[in-house]
Amino acid sequence: DIQMTQSPSSVSASVGDTVTITCRASQNIGNWLGWLQQKPGKAPKPLVYPASSLQSGVPSRFSGSGSGTEFTLTIVSLRPEDYATYYCHQTSTFPRTFGGGTRVDIK
Amino acid sequence: QLVESGGDLVQPGGSLRLSCVASGFTFSNYEMNWIRQAPGKGLEWIAYTTNSGNVLQYADSVRGRFTISRDNSQNLLLLQMTGLRVEDTAFYYCANSVLWGQGTLVSVSS
Repeated sequence: DIQMTQSPSSVSASVGDTVTITCRASQNIGNWLGWLQQKPGKAPKPLVYPASSLQSGVPSRFSGSGSGTEFTLTIVSLRPEDYATYYCHQTSTFPRTFGGGTRVDIK
Repeated sequence: QLVESGGDLVQPGGSLRLSCVASGFTFSNYEMNWIRQAPGKGLEWIAYTTNSGNVLQYADSVRGRFTISRDNSQNLLLLQMTGLRVEDTAFYYCANSVLWGQGTLVSVSS
């Protein structure tokens, strides 16, 4: 199985900050990588898929990059509504696997 | 949107069928998945179907117990669950590459 490793597991940031989350795959997954945002008590919401394609309606302060085994999600000018847990996931092979999540909370 | 239903409290060894109704997009164009999340835990993919339903994939944790199926004429995705275990307790989501449902809670307890 492909292991997806996210770092950091949590980050404290202030409104207006830039936050970068890294996701590493244990083997080459091309650009078959997605990012999800989950707020407490809510379902995950797709942000980016594949790798660098922003989903419709997602603010442009979010961006995804990378290919192969290393990927990043960057949030510039952090807003209050961005405080959430972010997950990466791969769709290159079965079983599909997810990263452990990165919690972004208020500093 | 995607709307799941069918979650319930069930005893170990029991069965349950989850439904996911799609609307607002061409359901038959999309591969679909079931993904679950135990309370307070991370995400676990459990089942996949191609857009036509002719190729199915399962996680080891549910293979042989769960069955995914779809009816494109009714915009419907199903998950038949048998031999339920306490560790199957989770929110169950249907999802494709661009959309997730709100989830339905399955609790397995005696």
